[in-house]
Amino acid sequence: DGGITQSPKYLFRKEGQNVTLSCEQNLNHDAMYWYRQDPGQGLRLIYYSQIVNDFQKGDIAEGYSVSREKKESFPLTVTSAQKNPTAFYLCASSGQGSHTIYFGEGSWLTVV
Amino acid sequence: GESVGLHLPTLSVQEGDNSIINCAYSNSASDYFIWYKQESGKGPQFIIDIRSNMDKRQGQRVTVLLNKTVKHLSLQIAATQPGDSAVYFCAENNNAGGTSYGKLTFGQGTILTVHP
Repeated sequence: DGGITQSPKYLFRKEGQNVTLSCEQNLNHDAMYWYRQDPGQGLRLIYYSQIVNDFQKGDIAEGYSVSREKKESFPLTVTSAQKNPTAFYLCASSGQGSHTIYFGEGSWLTVV
Repeated sequence: GESVGLHLPTLSVQEGDNSIINCAYSNSASDYFIWYKQESGKGPQFIIDIRSNMDKRQGQRVTVLLNKTVKHLSLQIAATQPGDSAVYFCAENNNAGGTSYGKLTFGQGTILTVHP
């Protein structure tokens, strides 16, 4: 099936640890995105990439890092510098020249 | 920065009624709008979209209306069903520079509850 796969679904992080969330898509989409969603809130853009080996900061990039070494993969690292990382993280992708983005099923990150 | 917002955070309807979810946007340069449905614990699902050169677009049981004069967007769901219960988000895109496809600004969402 075509789609966007995020893993893990649930992740727990200790204080001071970095964690990496995986996002893979087989839709042959050029652009990929990471959004953060807090309970009862809308989505906020963390990072986005419109092409392999290139990415840009979104509205809330501090404390996060990404890479785009392959077209189908866009992993997000939540670093220890992110002081409030507990949230629902959503990966998305879109085709070239398309406004519409399609989302994965999300990953829950909790700091313990 | 400019953002998209919603008039009503919650909406309760009876099964079979029509639902109307509203959204106000503040960026007059936005040229594309999307409605998403998000069920609990899942990623948002695309429902319907509309470009700024249109004022109405219909899908299956859903209609989106755009009023650029007052910067208002609405989603109408006909014959609402319990399976429509979810959070609905509007989102906007301003691609005037041609480099911002897919960069969406989301509203806070409206919780729709459909009672059998």
